[in-house]
Amino acid sequence: AQSVTQLGSHVSVSEGALVLLRCNYSSSVPPYLFWYVQYPNQGLQLLLKYTSAATLVKGINGFEAEFKKSETSFHLTKPSAHMSDAAEYFCAVNYQGGKLIFGQGTELSVKP
Amino acid sequence: SQTIHQWPATLVQPVGSPLSLECTVEGTSNPNLYWYRQAAGRGLQLLFYSVGIGQISSEVPQNLSASRPQDRQFILSSKKLLLSDSGFYLCAWSPVGYGYTFGSGTRLTVV
Repeated sequence: AQSVTQLGSHVSVSEGALVLLRCNYSSSVPPYLFWYVQYPNQGLQLLLKYTSAATLVKGINGFEAEFKKSETSFHLTKPSAHMSDAAEYFCAVNYQGGKLIFGQGTELSVKP
Repeated sequence: SQTIHQWPATLVQPVGSPLSLECTVEGTSNPNLYWYRQAAGRGLQLLFYSVGIGQISSEVPQNLSASRPQDRQFILSSKKLLLSDSGFYLCAWSPVGYGYTFGSGTRLTVV
C-alpha cells in the first residue's frame, strides 16, 4: 500500500528565507512522486514530478525536490521565499496507473 | 494541448435541491477522470474515478453520484443536497500512470 505524510500542516517563513516542506512516502514499489500547489479558491497546479529519472527535480517558480530512497523522502525546497509563494502545497504518490494518493497538505505563509 | 474545463465556479444551493457539476477535457482521448472534494481545513478526498465511458468507481459512500456519458465528460450529481455536501469540488484527468491535471474547481455552499 502507498501513503504520503506531510510533516507540518502550517509552515511560516520570512520573505527571502529558505522554504522547506517535508514529505515522506511509503511504497512497496518504486513510486512516482509529485508536488502540487493550490492558491485560494483555485485548482491544484503541478509544481514538479519525479518519475524515476534524475533524483533532483526542478520545477516551476524556483522550487525543487530531491528523491531520497534511503530516507523515503521527497522534500520540497526553494532557496528564497517570495510573498507570492504563500499557498497550500500537496505531496502525492502513485505507481504506474494507480490512483494518486495525496498528503494532507502544508499551508505556507510568507512574512514580509 | 490538453485542457480541462469545470463549471460553475461557484454555486449556492438550498438543502434538498439537486446538483449537477460538469467537467470536460479537450485534446486527449480515453483519459482517467476523477472527482475530489476539499472540505474546509481538510485535505483532498477522492470521491469517484472513471477509466472509461460508463465505468465509475466510488471511493466513499455518500449522497453523491457520478456519470461519464461521453469519453471526455464527467458529471457529479446529487438528487438532494445535504449541508455536509458543502465544499470545494475538483475535477482532474490523467493519462495512465502520471500525475493529474486539475480543473479550477467549484465552490459549493449548501444553505
